[in-house]
Amino acid sequence: SAVISQKPSRDICQRGTSLTIQCQVDSQVTMMFWYRQQPGQSLTLIATANQGSEATYESGFVIDKFPISRPNLTFSTLTVSNMSPEDSSIYLCSVDLAGENTDTQYFGPGTRLTVL
Amino acid sequence: DAKTTQPPSMDCAEGRAANLPCNHSTISGNEYVYWYRQIHSQGPQYIIHGLKNNETNEMASLIITEDRKSSTLILPHATLRDTAVYYCIVRVAGLIGDSSYKLIFGSGTRLLVRP
Repeated sequence: SAVISQKPSRDICQRGTSLTIQCQVDSQVTMMFWYRQQPGQSLTLIATANQGSEATYESGFVIDKFPISRPNLTFSTLTVSNMSPEDSSIYLCSVDLAGENTDTQYFGPGTRLTVL
Repeated sequence: DAKTTQPPSMDCAEGRAANLPCNHSTISGNEYVYWYRQIHSQGPQYIIHGLKNNETNEMASLIITEDRKSSTLILPHATLRDTAVYYCIVRVAGLIGDSSYKLIFGSGTRLLVRP
């Protein structure tokens, strides 16, 4: 497995502002993922972030709203831009670790965001 | 769109086996079934995954039907700490070339282990 940390662990923000969430992993990984978990809901994939290339966004998510950086093999950031109360969610990063047979994702602890 | 269907909630007695079902009738031949669990306010924890054969590890067993349209996660001796939301997930091809993939989470089963 891997040790994955996220900063901040939680935040309360005003509408119209932006928040950047950091994800740090203790080993080099090719694929990192960002998810959103709205209150009481399951996880939804926002985008896949591979080092050295632009992030690939899922349907319903756009780069202007959720810009992602992936400067190296151990770090990524997700920015939630121009926030509204509907952005209140837990944001999670995960990393892919290739195993003997296939890939497995390991998740960070999440960032709990509340937008007022 | 979720590719799995799970009961919203289940309960079992501590020390007994917990059997969590999952339907994935539209799964393709090369798509894996993964199970994760999420304990309140934490990130999802990987449990087990499989393609065709039954799998077992130190946490659980995964039984996949021969037609691969459903599976069951078995926690052999449930403890109070196993109370969590359990997600049955299908791993599908991603959007970036041959090696990319993504996990499609279903709505999950909330398991309550009773003392």
